[in-house]
Amino acid sequence: QVQLQESGPGLVKPSETLSLTCTVSGGSISSDDYNWSWIRQRPGKGLEWIGYIFKSGSSYYNPSLKSRVIISGDTSKNQFSLKLSSVTAADTAVYYCAREGPGGSGTYDYWGQGTLVTVSS
Amino acid sequence: DIQMTQSPSSLSASMGDRVTISCRASQSISNYLNWYQHKPGRAPKLLIYAASTLHGGVPSRFSGSGSGTDFTLTISSLQPEDFATYYCQQSYSSPPYTFGQGTKLEIK
Repeated sequence: QVQLQESGPGLVKPSETLSLTCTVSGGSISSDDYNWSWIRQRPGKGLEWIGYIFKSGSSYYNPSLKSRVIISGDTSKNQFSLKLSSVTAADTAVYYCAREGPGGSGTYDYWGQGTLVTVSS
Repeated sequence: DIQMTQSPSSLSASMGDRVTISCRASQSISNYLNWYQHKPGRAPKLLIYAASTLHGGVPSRFSGSGSGTDFTLTISSLQPEDFATYYCQQSYSSPPYTFGQGTKLEIK
C-alpha cells in the first residue's frame, strides 16, 4: 500500500519561500513509472495542480506558477519536495502530494492527507 | 486550460438515497475524466477513472458515466461513509489537469 505524508512549516511570511516535503512509503520515486505531484487547495477554491517530478528527475510545472516553483527529489530518503518562492497571502492553502498513475495518466491514485500552509506576517 | 463545472455545489440526501452528481467540461475530453472523494482532514481517494472504471476497492454502489463534455457520478444507495465532497478532474491531453469545484454531499 502506497502512502504519502506531507511535512513542513505551517506558517510562512510573505515574500519568503514555502518549503514542503513528501515522504513516500510502499513505493519508490526513483524506480517506479509514476509522476510525483504537488496539488493545492486554496480556501474556497478548487484543487490546483502545481507540478510533478518524474523518476529521471525531470519536472513539469503549472504555467501559472512556473516562475516560482521548484520540485526536486531525494531518492536516498524516498522523498520529493516543493519550493514556492515569493509567497503572498494568495498562496495560503492546503498542500497535497500525490502519485500520478503510470505513463502520465493524469489520474492521482494515492494522496497524502494534506498540510495547511498559512502565509502571514 | 480546460474548465470543469460541477453541479450541484452541495446536495442533501438521506441514507439509502440514489444521488447523481454532474460534471461538465469546457471542451471535449473523450473519457479522460476521474472522480475523487474527499473527507475533511483525510487524503482524497480516487473513486473512478476513465469516466466509468472503478478504482480498486471502491464499492460497486459507485458508478460513473459519460463522454465528451458531460459526465455523471452516481451513488446507488447512500451509506453513512459516503457523506463527503466529490471532485471531478479531467486528464485529457497534457497538464495542467484541472478539477471541478467540488460537490459537498451532506446528510438530510
